[in-house]
Amino acid sequence: AQSVAQPEDQVNVAEGNPLTVKCTYSVSGNPYLFWYVQYPNRGLQFLLKYITGDNLVKGSYGFEAEFNKSQTSFHLKKPSALVSDSALYFCAVRDKAGTALIFGKGTTLSVSS
Amino acid sequence: GAVVSQHPSWVICKSGTSVKIECRSLDFQATTMFWYRQFPKQSLMLMATSNEGSKATYEQGVEKDKFLINHASLTLSTLTVTSAHPEDSSFYICSARALQGQGYNIQYFGAGTRLSVL
Repeated sequence: AQSVAQPEDQVNVAEGNPLTVKCTYSVSGNPYLFWYVQYPNRGLQFLLKYITGDNLVKGSYGFEAEFNKSQTSFHLKKPSALVSDSALYFCAVRDKAGTALIFGKGTTLSVSS
Repeated sequence: GAVVSQHPSWVICKSGTSVKIECRSLDFQATTMFWYRQFPKQSLMLMATSNEGSKATYEQGVEKDKFLINHASLTLSTLTVTSAHPEDSSFYICSARALQGQGYNIQYFGAGTRLSVL
């Protein structure tokens, strides 16, 4: 069965510092990996995806993520955090093109000024 | 990106009544839509997969007679919570799958519906 683990409930960083939000996954085949962000009382906004190709993928709002097959990880990163990046971040995976996304439990990112 | 509209954004109802939530893909056709449920400070739990023109596929533990799903067109899926009770209070989020190039697709999400059952 597919699963996603986000080991950190919360990540705190100072504005201007780099940030990393961790994600590891488990699928039976090749993974389709996604990151979404959720602001309070809102739906999820798509940030980026990995399907195939370069291990480093770039997404919206300056975010990027690195796919590491040997470590089954897909950590979200940003070189310089903004206060407005504070939100709830979800990592998601599926193993086939036609199936629904399975989500991690989410990581709250708090960026202080 | 593609836009998914979900309505209403917030609904309060009395116990025993039914509530209908609509999910529309505004600028693309979605043969498949998904319904998720999210509890406070928790992840999204997939409830069901809705395919246009056919019966929805429900996840284990989700009562199909309680949560009626209809996907009558390529741009509209509805979730009806029948005979709602306080334990049904939650944040419901729909998602529509948009086909991209190269054979993969992205799920886009509605803004969610907060249901409060008194």
